[in-house]
Amino acid sequence: DAGVTQSPTHLIKTRGQQVTLRCSPKSGHDTVSWYQQALGQGPQFIFQYYEEEERQRGNFPDRFSGHQFPNYSSELNVNALLLGDSALYLCASSPGGLSSYGYTFGSGTRLTVV
Amino acid sequence: QKEVEQNSGPLSVPEGAIASLNCTYSDRGSQSFFWYRQYSGKSPELIMSIYSNGDKEDGRFTAQLNKASQYVSLLIRDSQPSDSATYLCAVRWNFGNEKLTFGTGTRLTIIP
Repeated sequence: DAGVTQSPTHLIKTRGQQVTLRCSPKSGHDTVSWYQQALGQGPQFIFQYYEEEERQRGNFPDRFSGHQFPNYSSELNVNALLLGDSALYLCASSPGGLSSYGYTFGSGTRLTVV
Repeated sequence: QKEVEQNSGPLSVPEGAIASLNCTYSDRGSQSFFWYRQYSGKSPELIMSIYSNGDKEDGRFTAQLNKASQYVSLLIRDSQPSDSATYLCAVRWNFGNEKLTFGTGTRLTIIP
């Protein structure tokens, strides 16, 4: 039973560049949420996708965008990278459009902006 | 702004003792509460969820919820060195708001 898979695991980008992170949810899950976790902090909600639409968004600028595909997989895109975007990016999935039972997290993508 | 607060620690507990982790939240209408464990460099792992006032036990873990006082706690009995990790409290605010809001986490160290 595959859990949540994310790619790549590590990424180094230069300030001003663009990056795309990918996520495949756990089997049976149709809702994907993206979180940013800075060192020593709790995860911060970026946005959530359900039925191929962005359903809810946190306090992140428009440089952060996403997409969900018909197979429920998702991408997170970040444009015009800043040094402060360096963080662990976590994808979390849940079933039925709900988070009532909590999320299952992927192993994350460590993004370093230099 | 709705907030989740945790004591950042670090919290040090001798092996075999009870570790007690606490979390408070700002919205009285919150629906669901979760504890996640996160080992250094790894992703969070769900260990407990609780929805009603009172205690919920699962093995060595007990979650306690008091909605009137707006706090949720996690007790770890017979602490083991493998319990050393950061513990994150997460709250789902209300029906229809499907995001989880996390605290900053409490770092727990079990001393052999």
